[in-house]
Amino acid sequence: NAGVTQTPKFQVLKTGQSMTLQCAQDMNHEYMSWYRQDPGMGLRLIHYSVGAGITDQGEVPNGYNVSRSTTEDFPLRLLSAAPSQTSVYFCASSYSFRQARDQPQHFGDGTRLSIL
Amino acid sequence: SQQGEEDPQALSIQEGENATMNCSYKTSINNLQWYRQNSGRGLVHLILIRSNEREKHSGRLRVTLDTSKKSSSLLITASRAADTASYFCATDFTGANSKLTFGKGITLSVRP
Repeated sequence: NAGVTQTPKFQVLKTGQSMTLQCAQDMNHEYMSWYRQDPGMGLRLIHYSVGAGITDQGEVPNGYNVSRSTTEDFPLRLLSAAPSQTSVYFCASSYSFRQARDQPQHFGDGTRLSIL
Repeated sequence: SQQGEEDPQALSIQEGENATMNCSYKTSINNLQWYRQNSGRGLVHLILIRSNEREKHSGRLRVTLDTSKKSSSLLITASRAADTASYFCATDFTGANSKLTFGKGITLSVRP
């Protein structure tokens, strides 16, 4: 099993450009989420999904869009990149959320994004 | 903010010593989890402790939870240089919609 795969690993964008960060998991996990990690801020939840076709906003959703058409994939779209979105983005998944034994999150290795 | 707060922010110890890290939170929880992050990598789950549990062990790791004080501790015994990493507590708050809230993390350095 590959676990959680994020692509690309690095990306540089210009202000105003759009792009999609890809996240795929091969563990048949229902729950998937996106976080951003900034120095001194810890991880902040952007969007999450409890299953295919269901998404919801996290703590910092503005400027980002998500969809969940399949169990495996949960792409994150930046609609119009801004320098404030320079960050490291992590995708995570778990089998479920409310069943504590299944809740531990599996993380990808992140996408390092710079907006100029 | 409901974010858990870790303490201290940074910790430097000698190999072989024990490392104790603390996490405090403000509202009731379903469970609390600890994660480790090595430099340049994603987070790795260490231990999950439920609100009705007081202590859990996993190898050299010991986690305690005191719901009356709204705090948790992670103890790493006989530390190794390989334990050098950032450690995060994450809380599943009661009433929150399927969200884990992470703290800002503790940077642990273990000197050989």
